[in-house]
Amino acid sequence: QKEVEQDPGPLSVPEGAIVSLNCTYSNSAFQYFMWYRQYSRKGPELLMYTYSSGNKEDGRFTAQVDKSSKYISLFIRDSQPSDSATYLCAMSGGGYQKVTFGTGTKLQVIP
Amino acid sequence: GAVVSQHPSRVICKSGTSVKIECRSLDFQATTMFWYRQFPKQSLMLMATSNEGSKATYEQGVEKDKFLINHASLTLSTLTVTSAHPEDSSFYICSAYRVAKGKTEAFFGQGTRLTVV
Repeated sequence: QKEVEQDPGPLSVPEGAIVSLNCTYSNSAFQYFMWYRQYSRKGPELLMYTYSSGNKEDGRFTAQVDKSSKYISLFIRDSQPSDSATYLCAMSGGGYQKVTFGTGTKLQVIP
Repeated sequence: GAVVSQHPSRVICKSGTSVKIECRSLDFQATTMFWYRQFPKQSLMLMATSNEGSKATYEQGVEKDKFLINHASLTLSTLTVTSAHPEDSSFYICSAYRVAKGKTEAFFGQGTRLTVV
């Protein structure tokens, strides 16, 4: 079993839809959870950062962490074609511990 | 916000030559940087961990003599692909951690697309 599981997609949605991206994990030591967006042929860009359980909102993006279920989500409201990218979840135990990534979910928002 | 700069963004080299890729943390000190490789439509594969002032730690299956890593300062790590071959063609990405008050944020460079002909 992988430490972090993420559905690779692709996920296609119409413009304006609410997108839900998810990851599950097995390591209960993970404390810090991140979501990255990666456009084709570019390095990943840090989108959201959360610590422990709870929600965090930033504009159209909401990150949720449920440590009891070992499940994290990223919601994108009013999705735009410019949101089309691969979204990677990542998590770590903090400090200089290795960050473990999901395989990424490819999202396509259709105009 | 923190920025990690990677250079060059794209390089084409002849088989048998060596290529150096630089990774700089621009507004924070990074004692640890990471080098990843990414094949098309696949996720990031950690190659090695670069530690300032000490030898890099390589992941299993990564040839340390082929992928030379030097972390000469707190803001610069370099990856040199020696005697490159076409199968080394890939997208290489560096990452630097900013650690403050126990919080770890991983920032990535823009990536380097290496094509060996």
